[in-house]
Amino acid sequence: EPEVTQTPSHQVTQMGQEVILRCVPISNHLYFYWYRQILGQKVEFLVSFYNNEISEKSEIFDDQFSVERPDGSNFTLKIRSTKLEDSAMYFCASGEGSSYEQYFGPGTRLTVT
Amino acid sequence: AQTVTQSQPEMSVQEAETVTLSCTYDTSESDYYLFWYKQPPSRQMILVIRQEAYKQQNATENRFSVNFQKAAKSFSLKISDSQLGDAAMYFCAYRSGQSGNTPLVFGKGTRLSVIA
Repeated sequence: EPEVTQTPSHQVTQMGQEVILRCVPISNHLYFYWYRQILGQKVEFLVSFYNNEISEKSEIFDDQFSVERPDGSNFTLKIRSTKLEDSAMYFCASGEGSSYEQYFGPGTRLTVT
Repeated sequence: AQTVTQSQPEMSVQEAETVTLSCTYDTSESDYYLFWYKQPPSRQMILVIRQEAYKQQNATENRFSVNFQKAAKSFSLKISDSQLGDAAMYFCAYRSGQSGNTPLVFGKGTRLSVIA
């Protein structure tokens, strides 16, 4: 069964450093998402992406964040200058056009020290 | 903006018994979808069950079923014959039907413990 994959599973970085989180969505899906979950809290939407552009973004998704689909398979989230409060689990999700379901990857745990 | 409320931070159930997790939501839309996701200690988000708002019939997936009360904006999850593997965080989520890529809005979750 096709699944969303994410790398790395765990990333540790120092405050102020740039990080890139990678996702490979399910191959025939058209819609892509990033969510984050701070430990012990609910899952929050960051950004959605369709047709090579951002469809919607939350107030969390400020100028420090960017997304890209550099080729036909990868979908990346970049944080330019990480802060302590960026420490969280980051989930990538994808969905196909005819369905309303979103399929989640296993997540990347980002730890900013 | 839509909101999702899960009023039970923690619940527990005896193995083989039935438990119901509550969820209410607030929306002015008529076209939307509701979901329950399970998050085990691995923190993977696993879709448990979904419900289309236009369907009156409550969704069922094996031991999992929902009680969807559209007028009351309530969407509870019933787990029958609870198993140890059901222990996890459960998140209720809402999605607008306005377009194909609206985001999920999650509640704060209910931590379910299963007692052997």
